Amino acid sequence: SQQGEEDPQALSIQEGENATMNCSYKTSINNLQWYRQNSGRGLVHLILIRSNEREKHSGRLRVTLDTSKKSSSLLITASRAADTASYFCATGVSGANNLFFGTGTRLTVIP
Amino acid sequence: GAVVSQHPSWVICKSGTSVKIECRSLDFQATTMFWYRQFPKQSLMLMATSNEGSKATYEQGVEKDKFLINHASLTLSTLTVTSAHPEDSSFYICSARGLAGKYEQYFGPGTRLTVT
Repeated sequence: SQQGEEDPQALSIQEGENATMNCSYKTSINNLQWYRQNSGRGLVHLILIRSNEREKHSGRLRVTLDTSKKSSSLLITASRAADTASYFCATGVSGANNLFFGTGTRLTVIP
Repeated sequence: GAVVSQHPSWVICKSGTSVKIECRSLDFQATTMFWYRQFPKQSLMLMATSNEGSKATYEQGVEKDKFLINHASLTLSTLTVTSAHPEDSSFYICSARGLAGKYEQYFGPGTRLTVT
């Protein structure tokens, strides 16, 4: 399976703290994307990082990509209660239109 | 921009009946649409990929005669769950990919199907 794995499966932190989620994948990729899903809702695209990029920022989000280790991390700084959601990484590979989703991390930010 | 809608947002049906779920790209033309299934607290599993005007490509283990997909236009794809059973109860999510060369997919809000 090309599905990635995320670590940790669940994370609970206090508001204001930083949250770090990791994603590992198995095959060579074109890009890696992070999505957020609130309970029972669709996915919201957060950030895309291409295989030739190492780090990308968007507001309070910081994504890193290490293609040699086939891993990525998502850092949310100064977390807020509204950040509570599940976060998924998804990889895009050559020759495939679809994305391969990781197992997800359930983040809970305690006010 | 890049809004994808799904209808209905939730549906309850009886075993043996069929249910149709619509996925629309509202402000862009989606050459490719994807249908995913998600069980509670699990990740998304791709069911099928549909390209406008051609037959859908189903993932291994997904019954094409049970999950009928039609992508008749560049803004609409439908998933019909035929002869639904309780085990078909799940959260179904579509996504759309538009411009060539763009990797981002835009997801619909999902449809919660409960089969009684």
